[in-house]
Amino acid sequence: NAGVTQTPKFQVLKTGQSMTLQCAQDMNHEYMSWYRQDPGMGLRLIHYSVGAGITDQGEVPNGYNVSRSTTEDFPLRLLSAAPSQTSVYFCASSYQGENTEAFFGQGTRLTVV
Amino acid sequence: EDQVTQSPEALRLQEGESSSLNCSYTVSGLRGLFWYRQDPGKGPEFLFTLYSAGEEKEKERLKATLTKKESFLHITAPKPEDSATYLCAVRFGGSEKLVFGKGTKLTVNP
Repeated sequence: NAGVTQTPKFQVLKTGQSMTLQCAQDMNHEYMSWYRQDPGMGLRLIHYSVGAGITDQGEVPNGYNVSRSTTEDFPLRLLSAAPSQTSVYFCASSYQGENTEAFFGQGTRLTVV
Repeated sequence: EDQVTQSPEALRLQEGESSSLNCSYTVSGLRGLFWYRQDPGKGPEFLFTLYSAGEEKEKERLKATLTKKESFLHITAPKPEDSATYLCAVRFGGSEKLVFGKGTKLTVNP
């Protein structure tokens, strides 16, 4: 059981470049989300989705786009990378409802130079 | 104002020296409080969920408790392998979103 898989694990971008961070889960979870983790800031929610075709903004959505065409996949797109987007990105998934913990991927460490 | 506050930011213990980590929250309509462990370079790993004041859960050397305003993660006789960052998160209201605290970095020296 793979759980939540993120690719790539590491990435270096130049300012202005675009890229997509991939996230896939094999647990048939309805809810998926993207967080960024910065020193001293904790985990901050970027975007989330409650099911295929439904997405919404979190706490820090600017500069990022998402879509959810399938239950399994929830890619995060950086349209024009900026140094402020240097961070570690985590994807998480869970069932919807009360007794549902979130499962996290191993993270993508992104550096924008 | 932060909705979830963890203290201390960092804690150093000697092996066998018991202590507690704190997570206080200001949200209303709490639907669940979650504790995670995060090792360097890894994603958060689920430990416990607590739902109502007075609830307690245990796993090996860890025990989590919940009141109406805060949760404690008690670590009894810790070992070096308990060294990690411990994260607290809450789910509240009608949302599925998890709101995280900034974490407590625990170091247990042999």
